Amino acid sequence: EPEVTQTPSHQVTQMGQEVILRCVPISNHLYFYWYRQILGQKVEFLVSFYNNEISEKSEIFDDQFSVERPDGSNFTLKIRSTKLEDSAMYFCASLVQHGGGYTFGSGTRLTVV
Amino acid sequence: GESVGLHLPTLSVQEGDNSIINCAYSNSASDYFIWYKQESGKGPQFIIDIRSNMDKRQGQRVTVLLNKTVKHLSLQIAATQPGDSAVYFCAEIPNRDDKIIFGKGTRLHILP
Repeated sequence: EPEVTQTPSHQVTQMGQEVILRCVPISNHLYFYWYRQILGQKVEFLVSFYNNEISEKSEIFDDQFSVERPDGSNFTLKIRSTKLEDSAMYFCASLVQHGGGYTFGSGTRLTVV
Repeated sequence: GESVGLHLPTLSVQEGDNSIINCAYSNSASDYFIWYKQESGKGPQFIIDIRSNMDKRQGQRVTVLLNKTVKHLSLQIAATQPGDSAVYFCAEIPNRDDKIIFGKGTRLHILP
């Protein structure tokens, strides 16, 4: 069964450093998403991406965040200057078409110290 | 505003019994609902979905019920097994939107 792959599985970074979280969506999917889950809380929407541009973003997704699909297969989330409160699980998801099923990756646990 | 919430944060069920996990939603414009299962250290895993033009949908050992009148969603798991231990999230997708709005989750404990 096709999978969404995320790397790394765990990243520890110092406050103020830049991090890039990587995702390889399912190959024929067209819509891509990043979600975040702070420990013990619900999964929150960050951003959706379609046709090489952001289609929607949440209030969480401020100027410190950016997304990119640099080579047609990878989908990355960059946090320019990490804060302690950015510590969370970050999930990538992809969707073949609206109304279809989402597939989530296993997540990257980001720890900001 | 849009919100999806859960009635119970934890649920303990005897192995072999049926489990019922409940969810309330507030956005009457939502037309697609999904239940996800999340095991420790993993991403949300699709269980079953239902569209707003239906009130019941059955899968393998799972049934989702939708009551649009009271904006209530439930997940029924038949003959609960140890592997069903996880956090269960209900989620909604508003009409003509594609982002998922998750509820807070219910942790299901299976008692031996």
